[in-house]
Amino acid sequence: GENVEQHPSTLSVQEGDSAVIKCTYSDSASNYFPWYKQELGKGPQLIIDIRSNVGEKKDQRIAVTLNKTAKHFSLHITETQPEDSAVYFCAASGGADGLTFGKGTHLIIQP
Amino acid sequence: GAGVSQSPSNKVTEKGKDVELRCDPISGHTALYWYRQSLGQGLEFLIYFQGNSAPDKSGLPSDRFSAERTGGSVSTLTIQRTQQEDSAVYLCASSFSENTEAFFGQGTRLTVV
Repeated sequence: GENVEQHPSTLSVQEGDSAVIKCTYSDSASNYFPWYKQELGKGPQLIIDIRSNVGEKKDQRIAVTLNKTAKHFSLHITETQPEDSAVYFCAASGGADGLTFGKGTHLIIQP
Repeated sequence: GAGVSQSPSNKVTEKGKDVELRCDPISGHTALYWYRQSLGQGLEFLIYFQGNSAPDKSGLPSDRFSAERTGGSVSTLTIQRTQQEDSAVYLCASSFSENTEAFFGQGTRLTVV
């Protein structure tokens, strides 16, 4: 089945700096890669996703890149703000296993 | 409804009792997932329903856990003879298909005392 590895588990950056979270996946059949943000006491919410026919996607301060050959994808957050502090999960889907999540990254924005 | 609905939002039960957690997915969503999240931890996959296919039960931690999805809609996760280590937030998510955005409910916080 699919295996998704996510790094780092904790990331602390200064407000205004950029943050990068990386994930790798194992199933070459996966073709959909969403990123979720989870705030304290709430369920995860989709912030951006990418499909395997696209190498990069941007939405304001958030971007995701995908390297199908290497089977890795990354989340980039620029000009970080205090409200970006949360837990971020990557996921991969498209094989037989449905949606498989990474273990999450706790992003801390230092004032 | 407008989103995925889970009930109850909180459940406190005595060790050894059985509990049932309910998930109402978004209408028309064929895929439904159950996850367990312990405090400060990641999303532990439990079970996945896709349409009329046999569910993927590979994540269920023991035979005390079971889930069903009636009529391709509402799902119930049952935990028999609850143990203290079952205490966690149980999250349900649904999506239109396996390759589209999954929407999460707010979760059920289960506490076994």
